[in-house]
Amino acid sequence: TQLLEQSPQFLSIQEGENLTVYCNSSSVFSSLQWYRQEPGEGPVLLVTVVTGGEVKKLKRLTFQFGDARKDSSLHITAAQPGDTGLYLCAGDMEYGNKLVFGAGTILRVKS
Amino acid sequence: NAGVMQNPRHLVRRRGQEARLRCSPMKGHSHVYWYRQLPEEGLKFMVYLQKENIIDESGMPKERFSAEFPKEGPSILRIQQVVRGDSAAYFCASSPPQGGSTGELFFGEGSRLTVL
Repeated sequence: TQLLEQSPQFLSIQEGENLTVYCNSSSVFSSLQWYRQEPGEGPVLLVTVVTGGEVKKLKRLTFQFGDARKDSSLHITAAQPGDTGLYLCAGDMEYGNKLVFGAGTILRVKS
Repeated sequence: NAGVMQNPRHLVRRRGQEARLRCSPMKGHSHVYWYRQLPEEGLKFMVYLQKENIIDESGMPKERFSAEFPKEGPSILRIQQVVRGDSAAYFCASSPPQGGSTGELFFGEGSRLTVL
């Protein structure tokens, strides 16, 4: 069983549409990160959220950390083909010791 | 490029051979992590090392896999007597010394192992 459940697993949308990816757990995390990975490359950090209820914006991407620090969401506004990739959430349970990753959401944005 | 460097990027081995994957962390980083990724899946933690110390190897298979991070030189993930199920992308990540860290990792581009 996954400690972090991501949904949906796959998402195929048209350019200009909005979408939300969810990352849920029954465990509490000291911090949670979102990464984006393109084929053949390593994950690249997008954002870190630390405080329960925190909201961070990165251009068209909005990240939220749940009040209880057990879940998070990533919302993309007006998706573009360049947003295509694998989105991974990762939770830190031990203040920097190791990250636990979700299985990822594969996003495909069609032009 | 001061990022995390992994080599080789691609490695092909026959069943029973040994695979050695190398990782040089970012400058100033003293913590190294190895993760394994199967196609279209998330990353599975394998091992966390500091210089000359294995801190957490709870994700390492009990047999055939070992890791080290010597005082000098890169970290090495070694897989002995490889089997087809070892075929995967192996990612190394590094982080600076801890102390209020939020656990952010900086990943290399991975080493893709194919076992024939």
